[in-house]
Amino acid sequence: LAKTTQPISMDSYEGQEVNITCSHNNIATNDYITWYQQFPSQGPRFIIQGYKTKVTNEVASLFIPADRKSSTLSLPRVSLSDTAVYYCLVGDWNTDKLIFGTGTRLQVFP
Amino acid sequence: KAGVTQTPRYLIKTRGQQVTLSCSPISGHRSVSWYQQTPGQGLQFLFEYFSETQRNKGNFPGRFSGRQFSNSRSEMNVSTLELGDSALYLCASSLNNRANEQFFGPGTRLTVL
Repeated sequence: LAKTTQPISMDSYEGQEVNITCSHNNIATNDYITWYQQFPSQGPRFIIQGYKTKVTNEVASLFIPADRKSSTLSLPRVSLSDTAVYYCLVGDWNTDKLIFGTGTRLQVFP
Repeated sequence: KAGVTQTPRYLIKTRGQQVTLSCSPISGHRSVSWYQQTPGQGLQFLFEYFSETQRNKGNFPGRFSGRQFSNSRSEMNVSTLELGDSALYLCASSLNNRANEQFFGPGTRLTVL
């Protein structure tokens, strides 16, 4: 199982771009990379998923280098409501368990 | 479309008792996964059900069990409760498997006294 490593916490200010990097050195060929966001007392919410290169949706971008040993979640122009814990997950599309790491606690200040 | 619902939202039990938690997935979703979240251990995968069959299982003792019904609704059961079982239990559903986008419910907060 690929293990992920993320910074425990990050601080930012409103309007800034935030990049959260996740290391997954043992990622396997069939593994996808998925990011979730969790607010206190709520279940995690899917943000974005990718396999390689770059993926962009309406809320975030995901950058994955060619070796896929890391990935970076990019949140453009964060607001106070983006204060949450962000989890990076790596898992096989068909058979593996999705393992949540410790997550990164992002605090956005006004 | 209605989201994932979990009942009850809060539960208080004493050591040695058993508990059953319920999860109703999003309509049309066939995969249901259960997670335990504690401050010390974070989010840990318990098991996944698909078409009434357990497809994957995490590293939890046999006291933790589950099942899925033909309408995809799922229940998890914890027997002989221990203090360390106090946690937020989250259910997530997805269309076919967990690699799809998972939709989480609000969770059941279990407190074991």
